[in-house]
Amino acid sequence: DVQMTQSPSTLSASVGDRVTITCRASQNINTWLAWYQQKPGKAPDLLIYKASLLESGAPSRFSGSGSGTEFTLTISSLQPDDFASYYCQQYNTHPLTFGGGTKVEIK
Amino acid sequence: QVQLQESGPGLVKPSETLSLTCAVSGYSISSGYYWGWFRQPPGKGLEWIAYFYHGGATYYNPSLRSRVTMSEDTSKNQFSLKLTSVTAADTAVYYCARRRSSGSSGSDAFNVWGQGTMVTVSS
Repeated sequence: DVQMTQSPSTLSASVGDRVTITCRASQNINTWLAWYQQKPGKAPDLLIYKASLLESGAPSRFSGSGSGTEFTLTISSLQPDDFASYYCQQYNTHPLTFGGGTKVEIK
Repeated sequence: QVQLQESGPGLVKPSETLSLTCAVSGYSISSGYYWGWFRQPPGKGLEWIAYFYHGGATYYNPSLRSRVTMSEDTSKNQFSLKLTSVTAADTAVYYCARRRSSGSSGSDAFNVWGQGTMVTVSS
């Protein structure tokens, strides 16, 4: 299985901050990577697919980059609605696997 | 607009079978897309269970393969999950979801999700 490692597990930030979350894959997954946002009690919401493509309806302050084994999700200017958990997921090979998540908290 | 709604018993006894259904509205499951199941134990991360394409392949997570079966009922436009011999480790919120791209080939993320249903395994 491809292991996905996210860092940090928790991040404290303020509104307006630039935030970066990292995801590392245990093997090459090309650009077959997605990022999801999840709020408490809600289903995941797709933000980024194919490592850097913004899902329709996702705010443009979210961006993704990377390929191979190293990926990042960046929020250019953190908004109140962005305090949530974020998960990366690889879909290069079965089984599909997720990172452990990053919780973005209010500083 | 496609919508997915999970349903099933909120409580299942250990060693019994968990059965969940995902009702789909706004799109026919026989017209395309992969349809799948995921789960999330309380306070933990997400786990993929399985997904299928009508008339095509079904893929299962090997860690659950021996206990999981997916099926579809096109007359009701819904699909189902059965998980046998459940234990407390199967306690989770279960989500059904649709993959982003409509074709049967290639890879993609999941961009349409149900609200999730909590299943507790306890005697």
